[in-house]
Amino acid sequence: GDSVTQMEGPVTLSEEAFLTINCTYTATGYPSLFWYVQYPGEGLQLLLKATKADDKGSNKGFEATYRKETTSFHLEKGSVQVSDSAVYFCALTPGDSWGKLQFGAGTQVVVTP
Amino acid sequence: DVKVTQSSRYLVKRTGEKVFLECVQDMDHENMFWYRQDPGLGLRLIYFSYDVKMKEKGDIPEGYSVSREKKERFSLILESASTNQTSMYLCASRGGLGTDTQYFGPGTRLTVL
Repeated sequence: GDSVTQMEGPVTLSEEAFLTINCTYTATGYPSLFWYVQYPGEGLQLLLKATKADDKGSNKGFEATYRKETTSFHLEKGSVQVSDSAVYFCALTPGDSWGKLQFGAGTQVVVTP
Repeated sequence: DVKVTQSSRYLVKRTGEKVFLECVQDMDHENMFWYRQDPGLGLRLIYFSYDVKMKEKGDIPEGYSVSREKKERFSLILESASTNQTSMYLCASRGGLGTDTQYFGPGTRLTVL
């Protein structure tokens, strides 16, 4: 079945450091790919998405590119802030589903001043 | 602004009790979802509903049931709560065909003693 694998955390960084969170997937068909973020004490919110190969999603300084050849959707940010401390989830929606999301395990990111 | 609300942020129940978790969305969305979130496992889909009175099992439906009598409300029911159902429960909603973003509520942290 479809699955998402993302790097384990926690990832601890200093403010202004470069952040990469790896995400790879297995899926049949042509899934859409997502990054969701969960700030402390809150529900998940969509950070960015890409719906086809080579698409780049971007938001709030974060970027991720849909790479079909490597089945990856790595999240990057060039200069993190303390406010980026959160749990980040990579997810996919199979192209022929009811829109169900398949999530990775989540990666906790801690940014220190 | 998009809004998904859940009836309780924190809930403590005893083994064997019947538990109701309520979710309400104000976006007139057709699709609603219940997930549970556990450390290291990400989010796993319990049930979803694509229309009033319609429901489909997700990946882990055992021990749960759902009810959707009105479009805006989706209830998760634990018929006889057990300690292994201690978890964070997240509700989400999504629009109809052609939309792929799910909007999440803040979550209910349920503890079963």
